[in-house]
Amino acid sequence: AQTVTQSQPEMSVQEAETVTLSCTYDTSESDYYLFWYKQPPSRQMILVIRQEAYKQQNATENRFSVNFQKAAKSFSLKISDSQLGDAAMYFCAYRSAVYTNAGKSTFGDGTTLTVKP
Amino acid sequence: SQTIHQWPATLVQPVGSPLSLECTVEGTSNPNLYWYRQAAGRGLQLLFYSVGIGQISSEVPQNLSASRPQDRQFILSSKKLLLSDSGFYLCAWTGTGKSNYGYTFGSGTRLTVV
Repeated sequence: AQTVTQSQPEMSVQEAETVTLSCTYDTSESDYYLFWYKQPPSRQMILVIRQEAYKQQNATENRFSVNFQKAAKSFSLKISDSQLGDAAMYFCAYRSAVYTNAGKSTFGDGTTLTVKP
Repeated sequence: SQTIHQWPATLVQPVGSPLSLECTVEGTSNPNLYWYRQAAGRGLQLLFYSVGIGQISSEVPQNLSASRPQDRQFILSSKKLLLSDSGFYLCAWTGTGKSNYGYTFGSGTRLTVV
């Protein structure tokens, strides 16, 4: 079974600065997908960014980018120019590309990000 | 566009009472549907998933059950709630065959069993 580990329960960043959230995962599969989700205080889960394991290029979505290191099984999220609205809990998630797994995702325990004005 | 509705938003139920949480998806057909539970300050635990009407897979043996009576409707139930059933429940969907797409989540149900 796959596992996802987020080793930083809490992180803080100064507004306008850059912060990196860490995620490692364990799998024996070669084809899979990785995601970062954001859960603000409202608790509405929102997809932030996704990465296909077969793509070497790191995904980028505006101020959010990832550093995907397949061999090291590492998938970190970088938030640039942090804004107060970025304060939330961030979850890393793994999904197998095997069709019979029905799109199930395994989530890490989350990192709570505080943004200081 | 696709939307997902989950209700109720908050529920306080006594121990031993029944439970029914409902989730519906609009704007798509034949979605994969999921029920997750989130303990306070923790990650998400997959409870049930469904790839079609009447097809339910359970990930964790527990006091809960799920049903999918219609293509875009997913229901989480219990006959008798336990204190340990308290938590935040999230419904999610994704398109079949689109594994690279992430989940779209409902707004969640905060369940407190007293």
